[in-house]
Amino acid sequence: DIQMTQSPSTLSASAGDRVTITCRASQNINSWLAWYQQKPGNAPKLLIYQASILESGVPSRFSGSGSGTEFTLTISSLQPDDFAIYHCQQYSSYTRTFGQGTKVEIK
Amino acid sequence: EVHLLESGGDLVQPGGSLRLSCTASGFTFSSHTMTWVRQAPGKGLEWVSAISGGGDYISYADSVKGRFTISRDNSKNTISLQMNNLRDEDTAVYFCGKGQLSNFYMDVWGEGTPVTVSS
Repeated sequence: DIQMTQSPSTLSASAGDRVTITCRASQNINSWLAWYQQKPGNAPKLLIYQASILESGVPSRFSGSGSGTEFTLTISSLQPDDFAIYHCQQYSSYTRTFGQGTKVEIK
Repeated sequence: EVHLLESGGDLVQPGGSLRLSCTASGFTFSSHTMTWVRQAPGKGLEWVSAISGGGDYISYADSVKGRFTISRDNSKNTISLQMNNLRDEDTAVYFCGKGQLSNFYMDVWGEGTPVTVSS
């Protein structure tokens, strides 16, 4: 199975900060990567797919980049609504896998 | 409006069985992959199983292979997850997700149904 490793596990930031989350795959997944946002008690919400394509309706302060084994999710200016857990997911292989999640909390 | 509704979650003893369902509306169901994802209390997301629009392509996580069976009924816009030989570690909220056409990432999710495996 392809392992997905996110870093950091927790990120403390303030509103207005630029935030970057990294997701590394244990083998080449090309650009078959999605990012999700999840708030407590809610289902995940798709933010980005194919590594860099913004899902319709998602604010442009979110962006994704990378290919192969290393990917990043960037929030250009953190808003109060963005404090949440972010998950990456590869969909390259037969068994799709998630990273362990990154919690973005208020500093 | 696209909507997914999971049902069937319950408290079950180890070794028992449970069948989850996910009913979809608001889109052409048979054109989309569907996926089950679970989340144990306080933990991250775990991909469980996926099925193609026509039902001819199915995949499972190693942790559930041989115990869980995914299926779909395109005439009823539903997918199901038959879970047998349940273990304590299967305790989680189970979400169903709609794939963007034939892709295996999920652009719409249900609210989830809780499964507790405990004696």
